[in-house]
Amino acid sequence: KNEVEQSPQNLTAQEGEFITINCSYSVGISALHWLQQHPGGGIVSLFMLSSGKKKHGRLIATINIQEKHSSLHITASHPRDSAVYICAVKVTGGGNKLTFGTGTQLKVEL
Amino acid sequence: DGGITQSPKYLFRKEGQNVTLSCEQNLNHDAMYWYRQDPGQGLRLIYYSQIVNDFQKGDIAEGYSVSREKKESFPLTVTSAQKNPTAFYLCASSNRQSSYNEQFFGPGTRLTVL
Repeated sequence: KNEVEQSPQNLTAQEGEFITINCSYSVGISALHWLQQHPGGGIVSLFMLSSGKKKHGRLIATINIQEKHSSLHITASHPRDSAVYICAVKVTGGGNKLTFGTGTQLKVEL
Repeated sequence: DGGITQSPKYLFRKEGQNVTLSCEQNLNHDAMYWYRQDPGQGLRLIYYSQIVNDFQKGDIAEGYSVSREKKESFPLTVTSAQKNPTAFYLCASSNRQSSYNEQFFGPGTRLTVL
């Protein structure tokens, strides 16, 4: 079983819809990252969380440490949001390494 | 502009040949990482380096080698011992002092072994 599980694996939405991507982990962590991978392969960091909630534009990330769960929300989705969204955790006592989920492929259609 | 560069973007090699993937960063980061990405799988760590002249094996180091002679550079060699080298390879770097370990990624190199 992977230490980091994401759901759904694939998601198709219509423009304007509210989108939620989930990440569950089974280990103790000191930080959780949400990353976006564009079709060309480049990866950018969206959020780093250790508690609570963060918002950037139309993106919101939340984390519940007790439940070992994080969500990434996209409000008013747009076709340019189409990408793979990856959850990664920094495992407590794991040094400076990250453990990655398998990603959620999001497609937003007009 | 500060960032990470990887070259080339696409690379083709014949089976049995060693190939070296380039990774350069000008972010003044101490730590650098190499990941492999395969369809349906999360990024897997091949090697990482926390400081110049030092590096450690990641989860899937067999068939790979690295060097860290300069802070800016962390080349990865895919040797003929790697059984299934065709994959997308990503390099990343981070500030070793960062408690979150935010990593900055390069654009990746897609290696195809024919």
